[in-house]
Amino acid sequence: AQSVAQPEDQVNVAEGNPLTVKCTYSVSGNPYLFWYVQYPNRGLQFLLKYITGDNLVKGSYGFEAEFNKSQTSFHLKKPSALVSDSALYFCAVRDQNTGGFKTIFGAGTRLFVKA
Amino acid sequence: ETGVTQTPRHLVMGMTNKKSLKCEQHLGHNAMYWYKQSAKKPLELMFVYSLEERVENNSVPSRFSPECPNSSHLFLHLHTLQPEDSALYLCASSQETGVWYEQYFGPGTRLTVT
Repeated sequence: AQSVAQPEDQVNVAEGNPLTVKCTYSVSGNPYLFWYVQYPNRGLQFLLKYITGDNLVKGSYGFEAEFNKSQTSFHLKKPSALVSDSALYFCAVRDQNTGGFKTIFGAGTRLFVKA
Repeated sequence: ETGVTQTPRHLVMGMTNKKSLKCEQHLGHNAMYWYKQSAKKPLELMFVYSLEERVENNSVPSRFSPECPNSSHLFLHLHTLQPEDSALYLCASSQETGVWYEQYFGPGTRLTVT
């Protein structure tokens, strides 16, 4: 069965420092991986995705993610955090072998960026 | 904004009421989804529609009844709900249901069942 784990409930980082939000996954076939962000009182917004090809994926708002097949990880990164990046971040996976339209979301990681 | 709107944004209903949630997408997408977001729990997929045809009903109680009259509109009809159904209900759309398509979410309807 496919699953997604976000091992940290919360990540704290100072403004200007690099940030990493961790995600590991488990699928039976090829993984299709996504990151979404949720601001207060809003729905989820798509940040970036890995489908195939280059392991480093660049997305919106300066975010990027690195796909690591051997470690089954897809960590979200940003070189320099902003206070406005404070939000709830979700990693998600789709697996074509188990019904491609089913997106499995992680529990979410709350990011706090302190000025 | 993401191009997906939901109404109402907030809803309080008694256990014996009947109400409906509405979702509209302006993106020309062919797939639409209902999710339930509860505190401390991952997002739960409820229903998936592809070109107005339901392709997934994820073991959702019959007190939740979806309707997709066309590819731009999605409804969730609610009746005789339970307090544990209180949650944020999110609508989403994607170009197709294929694995490589990202989803675009509406702002959600905050439902409280009293």
